[in-house]
Amino acid sequence: EDQVTQSPEALRLQEGESSSLNCSYTVSGLRGLFWYRQDPGKGPEFLFTLYSAGEEKEKERLKATLTKKESFLHITAPKPEDSATYLCAVQGNTGGFKTIFGAGTRLFVKA
Amino acid sequence: GAVVSQHPSWVICKSGTSVKIECRSLDFQATTMFWYRQFPKQSLMLMATSNEGSKATYEQGVEKDKFLINHASLTLSTLTVTSAHPEDSSFYICSARGMLNEKLFFGSGTQLSVL
Repeated sequence: EDQVTQSPEALRLQEGESSSLNCSYTVSGLRGLFWYRQDPGKGPEFLFTLYSAGEEKEKERLKATLTKKESFLHITAPKPEDSATYLCAVQGNTGGFKTIFGAGTRLFVKA
Repeated sequence: GAVVSQHPSWVICKSGTSVKIECRSLDFQATTMFWYRQFPKQSLMLMATSNEGSKATYEQGVEKDKFLINHASLTLSTLTVTSAHPEDSSFYICSARGMLNEKLFFGSGTQLSVL
């Protein structure tokens, strides 16, 4: 069964304090690993798709990396507006290509 | 990116009434749409998968007679919560996947409160 585990559950940073969020996964035939950002009371907003180990994607202060077992979302010099819940999800080759989500990491960035 | 519109954003209803939530893909044809439920500070729980023109596939533990899903066209899917009860109060989110993409595009969610 496909599974996604994210850590930590919550992360509090000072503005400018870089850190990383972890996403560990098990999946039968990875089609894609996704990172989303979700603000309170809103639907998730797409950030990145990673397809194979070794792949990296960057967008502004965010960089996502992928290995065969986990993905990291690195946040460089975060700002208060980066505060949100970051969700990791995987899609495998079985189960009708369902997308399975982790519980998310709630990030708080203090000015 | 692709746009998915979900309405209403929030709804308050009395126990025993039915509520319909609409999900539209505005600028692409969505062959598959998904309905998720999310409790506070928890992740998205997949309820059902709907493909245009066919019956929805429900996840284990989700009552298909309570959560009616219709995907009548490539741009519209609806979720009807029938005879809603307070325990159905939750944040419901739809998402859509196009023909060529694996990634999902999400609606803005509907907060349902059943009194």
